[in-house]
Amino acid sequence: QKEVEQDPGPLSVPEGAIVSLNCTYSNSAFQYFMWYRQYSRKGPELLMYTYSSGNKEDGRFTAQVDKSSKYISLFIRDSQPSDSATYLCAMTGTGANNLFFGTGTRLTVIP
Amino acid sequence: DADVTQTPRNRITKTGKRIMLECSQTKGHDRMYWYRQDPGLGLQLIYYSFDVKDINKGEISDGYSVSRQAQAKFSLSLESAIPNQTALYFCATSSGGFTDTQYFGPGTRLTVL
Repeated sequence: QKEVEQDPGPLSVPEGAIVSLNCTYSNSAFQYFMWYRQYSRKGPELLMYTYSSGNKEDGRFTAQVDKSSKYISLFIRDSQPSDSATYLCAMTGTGANNLFFGTGTRLTVIP
Repeated sequence: DADVTQTPRNRITKTGKRIMLECSQTKGHDRMYWYRQDPGLGLQLIYYSFDVKDINKGEISDGYSVSRQAQAKFSLSLESAIPNQTALYFCATSSGGFTDTQYFGPGTRLTVL
């Protein structure tokens, strides 16, 4: 079993839709949860960072962590064509020697 | 100018050739990383370095070696390239360890024929 599972999509939505992206994980020691966004032919860049459980909001983006279910989500409200990218979840624990990435979900927002 | 640069951006080589990928950063970070990205597998850690004298293997280091020439420079070498090393390679840096934000370069697309 992989440490982090993520539906690869692709996911296609109309402009203005609410998008939900999800990852599950197996390691209960994970405490640091991140979402990276990767545009075509670019390197990933950090979008959201959450420590432990709970919600974090930044503009149109909300990250949720449910440690009891080992499940994290990224919500995008009022999606825009500029949100079209691959979204990678990533996570790790204190003292870990790796950052564990999901495979990424490719999102297309249609104008 | 970009904070993390990688050269070359694209490379096509033949089986058995030695190839070096270079990474430079201007963020002043001590920590640097090399990842490869394959469709369906996500990003996998090849090597990481927490300072100039510290080099550590990642989860898929076989067939690769690295050199940390200075705080700002971290090179990845394929001593004898093979076709299953065809992938997208990313260098990254961070100020802290794996719990801190990683800043990625633009990537090198490597094809081994």
